Amino acid sequence: SQELEQSPQSLIVQEGKNLTINCTSSKTLYGLYWYKQKYGEGLIFLMMLQKGGEEKSHEKITAKLDEKKQQSSLHITASQPSHAGIYLCGALWGSNYQLIWGAGTKLIIKP
Amino acid sequence: DGGITQSPKYLFRKEGQNVTLSCEQNLNHDAMYWYRQDPGQGLRLIYYSQIVNDFQKGDIAEGYSVSREKKESFPLTVTSAQKNPTAFYLCASSRLKDRGRRNEQFFGPGTRLTVL
Repeated sequence: SQELEQSPQSLIVQEGKNLTINCTSSKTLYGLYWYKQKYGEGLIFLMMLQKGGEEKSHEKITAKLDEKKQQSSLHITASQPSHAGIYLCGALWGSNYQLIWGAGTKLIIKP
Repeated sequence: DGGITQSPKYLFRKEGQNVTLSCEQNLNHDAMYWYRQDPGQGLRLIYYSQIVNDFQKGDIAEGYSVSREKKESFPLTVTSAQKNPTAFYLCASSRLKDRGRRNEQFFGPGTRLTVL
């Protein structure tokens, strides 16, 4: 069966510290999307990865896709209160339009 | 500014009633999607549409219906047959698959439906 696991489920981090969120697929990914969601709001697109070994950055957020294209990590450097929210990964397993979603990681930043 | 709008933001329904959630986009996207989000779970696909007057069931279509009469609009009706409709509903749109492009989905702000 197709599975997408996201870890950790929740994370409490002191402001200024670094953190990593992982997204692991049961099969090779065609593409991997990272989104952020504020509670009770829609999702905001962060980054999309397609190639094995690819790495993209936006401000203090870096996302990587491993060479085997089965695991992605999202790394936040020097976390800020604005980084708080729910981070979701969405997987494409074929050249179709449907994304399969991870359960999300709830990030809380302690001041 | 281009984007997706959903209305209403909050909706309360009595058991046995049908309700319709609105979703409109002005991004000129061909594909539109409806998702359901429950606490601690990822998004689950209800229906999606790639072209006007055509749509496909997602993973949890039972108890829901949709229409796509216009490219810009993709309303979702939650029928009385849906046994547990209380949830957060998200609408999204995207370009059709185009190799080499991001083709990310753009999301609306969501509608929170509560059954009383």
